[in-house]
Amino acid sequence: SQTIHQWPATLVQPVGSPLSLECTVEGTSNPNLYWYRQAAGRGLQLLFYSVGIGQISSEVPQNLSASRPQDRQFILSSKKLLLSDSGFYLCAGNPGGDNSGNTIYFGEGSWLTVV
Amino acid sequence: KQEVTQIPAALSVPEGENLVLNCSFTDSAIYNLQWFRQDPGKGLTSLLLIQSSQREQTSGRLNASLDKSSGRSTLYIAASQPGDSATYLCAVRGTYKYIFGTGTRLKVLA
Repeated sequence: SQTIHQWPATLVQPVGSPLSLECTVEGTSNPNLYWYRQAAGRGLQLLFYSVGIGQISSEVPQNLSASRPQDRQFILSSKKLLLSDSGFYLCAGNPGGDNSGNTIYFGEGSWLTVV
Repeated sequence: KQEVTQIPAALSVPEGENLVLNCSFTDSAIYNLQWFRQDPGKGLTSLLLIQSSQREQTSGRLNASLDKSSGRSTLYIAASQPGDSATYLCAVRGTYKYIFGTGTRLKVLA
């Protein structure tokens, strides 16, 4: 099975500051990778997904961006954070391709508080 | 656009009860449906995956069913325990994307 690592686990950032959350995957190659955000008491909102190096699909308009510089690395960034960017960010991945039997695995999450 | 709904939003039961959590989705063109458990402040742990061609899956005290044509899935938890207290989320997979419900927050009282 695969393992998702993401960091940092917690961060407090001022409004207008930049953001970089990193995610790496072990145990599989050419995975599909995802960034989700979970606001307090709410479900998971898909932000970005990637099916390969340099291939990013954005699901919601926002001031966040994602990059995939290596096969098993996925980065979530912002140039200037807003208060509304606060939340719990989760990286996830599953083996590449479109196999209906593939399970998606999640990292432990990153708590972002914008002050 | 796929929408996933879970009811109830919260549930509190005494230990030992059998319980059912519900998940409904609007677009039946799915690859699979997964149930997850999330403990407070943590990531998600996969519990069961049902492929679109399957009707149910079982793991220990958990049983999940899928009726794709009606857009419904249920998670059955037998003989609930305090350790089952968590938020349970379902997700449906379309082409690459997983769409999640808002979850059911379960509390099992000792």
